Amino acid sequence: SQQGEEDPQALSIQEGENATMNCSYKTSINNLQWYRQNSGRGLVHLILIRSNEREKHSGRLRVTLDTSKKSSSLLITASRAADTASYFCATPSGSARQLTFGSGTQLTVLP
Amino acid sequence: KAGVTQTPRYLIKTRGQQVTLSCSPISGHRSVSWYQQTPGQGLQFLFEYFSETQRNKGNFPGRFSGRQFSNSRSEMNVSTLELGDSALYLCASIPENTGELFFGEGSRLTVL
Repeated sequence: SQQGEEDPQALSIQEGENATMNCSYKTSINNLQWYRQNSGRGLVHLILIRSNEREKHSGRLRVTLDTSKKSSSLLITASRAADTASYFCATPSGSARQLTFGSGTQLTVLP
Repeated sequence: KAGVTQTPRYLIKTRGQQVTLSCSPISGHRSVSWYQQTPGQGLQFLFEYFSETQRNKGNFPGRFSGRQFSNSRSEMNVSTLELGDSALYLCASIPENTGELFFGEGSRLTVL
């Protein structure tokens, strides 16, 4: 079963614009992670935010976490065509090493 | 540091056959987990191994099995293949004391 649901399912923007993706989850967590996947490839870890953090930055990425609403958002600023990929949120389920992934947002950045 | 290596990258099998997929984790990582990715079900956890012991197992039938060797390399096996087993199988290497997973490029299995 999928813990996280992502919104929107697909997003198409122009290069230079910002892209925002949202993730909702169901149970209490101690961290939430975001991953990126280029078509047919493996997943790449982007950022981990802990439950006691509200916001975290990494380069052009900004992640927020609202544990009261059980939701997180990923903002990519000044997007580039190379950012075209699927983005997944993931939360620990069972053991800390077992992740439950959301359904993903397919981001297309048009040059 | 070399990344996670999965072999084979692509394979085609027919229903009823079995398949074995291999994963070599990042050097020094003792934990490996496997995920199945399909368009319909998304990413689903299969199992996790640590120091040759299975620690967790997802909700998959007994046809799906795995093991880990003393050098941390892992294999997963699917017997009596069904059409629905067509998927991208992803292996993740997990360092101790962090929550992040390092994924391989996956093995794309097509069952005809």
